[in-house]
Amino acid sequence: AQSVSQHNHHVILSEAASLELGCNYSYGGTVNLFWYVQYPGQHLQLLLKYFSGDPLVKGIKGFEAEFIKSKFSFNLRKPSVQWSDTAEYFCAVKGNTGKLIFGQGTTLQVKP
Amino acid sequence: GAVVSQHPSWVICKSGTSVKIECRSLDFQATTMFWYRQFPKQSLMLMATSNEGSKATYEQGVEKDKFLINHASLTLSTLTVTSAHPEDSSFYICSARDGLAFGTGELFFGEGSRLTVL
Repeated sequence: AQSVSQHNHHVILSEAASLELGCNYSYGGTVNLFWYVQYPGQHLQLLLKYFSGDPLVKGIKGFEAEFIKSKFSFNLRKPSVQWSDTAEYFCAVKGNTGKLIFGQGTTLQVKP
Repeated sequence: GAVVSQHPSWVICKSGTSVKIECRSLDFQATTMFWYRQFPKQSLMLMATSNEGSKATYEQGVEKDKFLINHASLTLSTLTVTSAHPEDSSFYICSARDGLAFGTGELFFGEGSRLTVL
């Protein structure tokens, strides 16, 4: 069965600090990988996705993620966070079942 | 991107009553819709997969008689919480996949519906 694990549950950073959120998944087959963001009071929005090709994926708002197949990881990064990046971040995996399975989520708090 | 709309955004009901939540794909046809449940400060838990014109597939531990799902058209899926109890209070989110863009794999999410059972 598919599962997704996000190691950081709550991250607090100052503005301009670099961000890396961990995501590991367990699934033996071909996967599609996603990072979603949920700003306070808003619905989920897609940050970026990986299907195939270049394992380094660039998304919106300066975010990027790297798919490392050997490590079953898809970590999210941003070189310099802003206060407006304060939100909940979810990693998700879709296998051949078509179901999108989410990780536990990471709450990011950026201090101005 | 494509738009998915849920209604109502929030609903308060008495224990023992039933509540229906609608999920509509506004500008695309959704052959498949997914229903998730999100508890405060927690992740989204997949409840069921809804396929147009057929019975929904429920995840393990989800009572199909409690959470009735109907996907009668390519743009509408409904979730009915029957005989609601306070423990059913939660945030319910639907998502839909564009049937014509199946290969992209991207799901589009509704705004969510907050259910409070008194």
